[in-house]
Amino acid sequence: DAKTTQPPSMDCAEGRAANLPCNHSTISGNEYVYWYRQIHSQGPQYIIHGLKNNETNEMASLIITEDRKSSTLILPHATLRDTAVYYCIVRAPQRTGNQFYFGTGTSLTVIP
Amino acid sequence: NAGVTQTPKFQVLKTGQSMTLQCAQDMNHEYMSWYRQDPGMGLRLIHYSVGAGITDQGEVPNGYNVSRSTTEDFPLRLLSAAPSQTSVYFCASTRGLAGGKGSYNEQFFGPGTRLTVL
Repeated sequence: DAKTTQPPSMDCAEGRAANLPCNHSTISGNEYVYWYRQIHSQGPQYIIHGLKNNETNEMASLIITEDRKSSTLILPHATLRDTAVYYCIVRAPQRTGNQFYFGTGTSLTVIP
Repeated sequence: NAGVTQTPKFQVLKTGQSMTLQCAQDMNHEYMSWYRQDPGMGLRLIHYSVGAGITDQGEVPNGYNVSRSTTEDFPLRLLSAAPSQTSVYFCASTRGLAGGKGSYNEQFFGPGTRLTVL
């Protein structure tokens, strides 16, 4: 599975959009981009995933560049409860196993 | 649904002791995994299972055993605990193949077990 690169930390003002970048320059054609977050040592929580097209759900939007070498997770109106570590993961569907390889992620702090 | 449950929440062991971390899910998910998370680090996969009776190794399997006799349960055994196994352990489950559309992609994580080995 392709490796990802994320900034170690970011700050965002409460109420503003939080844009979290992820670089995955070695991604291959059948690999999806997933985002999870982990709030203060709880179990990670799924946010969103995508392959080529931009995706949106009730939590966030995922923007994937046309060459698929990078993506951005957007939290449209960050709240204090969005303070967490955000993990960007790329992986291909596999017949066996559901391995997700987590890196160290981006620690997002939402500032009042 | 209770989701993914893990017991115990906290455990302290002495070097050389053995114990089993319990994980159960009530969502009828096929796929289950065990991860460990060391301070300041991301999660690393220990073992996983694609269904009852089938298990395989992840990134860091040494020192751990697993079995999957039922769909619901996926216990993790430490045969002879070492201080290097001090960590937070998370269990996760997924309904199906982790790719493609829909909720087949979402991993549900338990609350974790905080293990200290002295």
